[in-house]
Amino acid sequence: AQSVAQPEDQVNVAEGNPLTVKCTYSVSGNPYLFWYVQYPNRGLQFLLKYITGDNLVKGSYGFEAEFNKSQTSFHLKKPSALVSDSALYFCAVRDMGGSYIPTFGRGTSLIVHP
Amino acid sequence: SAVISQKPSRDICQRGTSLTIQCQVDSQVTMMFWYRQQPGQSLTLIATANQGSEATYESGFVIDKFPISRPNLTFSTLTVSNMSPEDSSIYLCSVEEASGYEQYFGPGTRLTVT
Repeated sequence: AQSVAQPEDQVNVAEGNPLTVKCTYSVSGNPYLFWYVQYPNRGLQFLLKYITGDNLVKGSYGFEAEFNKSQTSFHLKKPSALVSDSALYFCAVRDMGGSYIPTFGRGTSLIVHP
Repeated sequence: SAVISQKPSRDICQRGTSLTIQCQVDSQVTMMFWYRQQPGQSLTLIATANQGSEATYESGFVIDKFPISRPNLTFSTLTVSNMSPEDSSIYLCSVEEASGYEQYFGPGTRLTVT
């Protein structure tokens, strides 16, 4: 079985400050991990993924995420937040040896204050 | 990355009627997914549609209520039948990038049932 947890419903950060959106996962085998972003009244957009290789992955809009196998985490980060980063962020996991269907987290609303 | 369009973008329907949502992809894809999302909440997978075979429905969703067609590798439809106000939601179609495993989503169809 696979599962993913986003422990924070909402994250507030001031513009220019670093941001972190947390994600932890559980899979039987090795994970494929993804982050998606949903801007207001828009569909989901793919941000970045970890499949294999370097634990630090870089994605769109200056976002990055670090795969930590020992902590089963895949936190999304950005060094300097922008007001335009305010959106709903979803983490997703897929078990490499299991289901081809990913499991999505419940989402974290990121609010960046001017 | 695949570009996905959906029609209609939104609709207001009366209870007891049916609505068919169309999903068009600009490239050939094997798997297409249909999700439901309440505004600001996570995604719920309705079914997976592969070309040339019956759709696979998730627990809680049945073919009589959500019939799906997949006539070719670039197109799919989802029908919401005998609608009730509980069907009011955003319906999203998505495809999986064959080489990368990430998903790409359509802009969504916002359905309101009165």
